[in-house]
Parts: sequence; C-alpha cells; structure tokens
Amino acid sequence: AQTVTQSQPEMSVQEAETVTLSCTYDTSESNYYLFWYKQPPSRQMILVIRQEAYKQQNATENRFSVNFQKAAKSFSLKISDSQLGDTAMYFCAWNTGNQFYFGTGTSLTVIP
Amino acid sequence: EPEVTQTPSHQVTQMGQEVILRCVPISNHLYFYWYRQILGQKVEFLVSFYNNEISEKSEIFDDRFSVERPDGSNFTLKIRSTKLEDSAMYFCASRLQGHSYEQYFGPGTRLTVT
Repeated sequence: AQTVTQSQPEMSVQEAETVTLSCTYDTSESNYYLFWYKQPPSRQMILVIRQEAYKQQNATENRFSVNFQKAAKSFSLKISDSQLGDTAMYFCAWNTGNQFYFGTGTSLTVIP
Repeated sequence: EPEVTQTPSHQVTQMGQEVILRCVPISNHLYFYWYRQILGQKVEFLVSFYNNEISEKSEIFDDRFSVERPDGSNFTLKIRSTKLEDSAMYFCASRLQGHSYEQYFGPGTRLTVT
C-alpha cells in the first residue's frame, strides 16, 4: 500500500528554537521523490523542500533541512530558528511522477 | 514567477447542481492534476491529465466528475449532480515533463454545496 504517515498531529515550538516533524512512508517503488509542503491559514500549498530518493545527501533549503533514511522509509523535516511565519500545517508527500500521496499533516504553532 | 491560478476562489452551489472549477496551469507545463481537501483532512488525488487524456484517476473521481482542457490555457473540473460531501477545497496543480516531479499548486477553490 502506498501510504504516508505523520504521527504528530500537532506540535509547537518557541520562536527561534528548532523543531523536527516526522514522516514515514511505504512504497515498493525504487525511484521517487519526497516533498514537504506548507499550508498556512490561506490554504495555499507551498513547497518547502524536495528530496530525490536516489540521492543520499539530505536536502537543505535555508532554515529547512531533511533527514532522509531510505532504508527506514523515513523523511523528517527540521526547521531551525523557527519564525512566527512558520505557523502552518505541514504535509509530507511522495511522488513517482504522477499522483502525490500525502500524509495527514502536522499542525505547527510557533509561540512568540 | 509563473504560477497556477484558479477561479473562482469560492463557489457556493445547491445540491444537485453542476459546477465548473477553472484552472490556468503554468504555460509550459504538460501534466495537470486535480486534488481535493475536505476541511481538516489530508489532500487527496482526484485525477491526472496528460496529452489531452486522463492518465490516472482515483476512486473519488466517479462518473459525476470530468476534466477538460478546452483550449491551450485552461484546465477545468466539472462536477455534475453535486452532493453535500463534495464540499471541499479543490486544488489544481501542474508540472513540467521531466524527473523532478514537482507539482505547482494553485491557491484552491473552496466549493460549498448546500
């Protein structure tokens, strides 16, 4: 089954601190891409970071980085120096070229 | 920066009516998608469209749903005989041909069926 599991429905973090959102997935595909999307209250889906499964090096994008463990099928998102604007719903997803499979999301609140 | 646009932002319709949700994908993209998100739930795939035909669809995409690319720019989702449970946010997405598989999402249309 093609599934994505986000085991933390809600999280909070103090402004300027670091937080890690977890994600695991299940697939029999060998070549795929993993994504984290951010959905603020406006409900626009915004790409945060992308990881190619064939790359061992973890992707980074400014304050955002991932810990990709292919054997464990784990893809966590680390947000450093959290900012108030990071408050949003975060969805983990994977894709083999056609449809996305999304997790149920983690609601992150950054506390001033 | 090019972006996917969707109209209207909010559509209210009565149960049993037909609605058309419109999307303008990024101009050089070749793959087009519709997703829906019921309030408080995850984003779910509806359909993918390539080369003027449906390439994949989910079980949600029943015979009340149809998609069309009537011209070179628009991509529409039509829902006939709407039901209360069709109330959701509908996202259009598009992507280039290639291996990055990144899909660019539009801002969504909130559909409310009363």
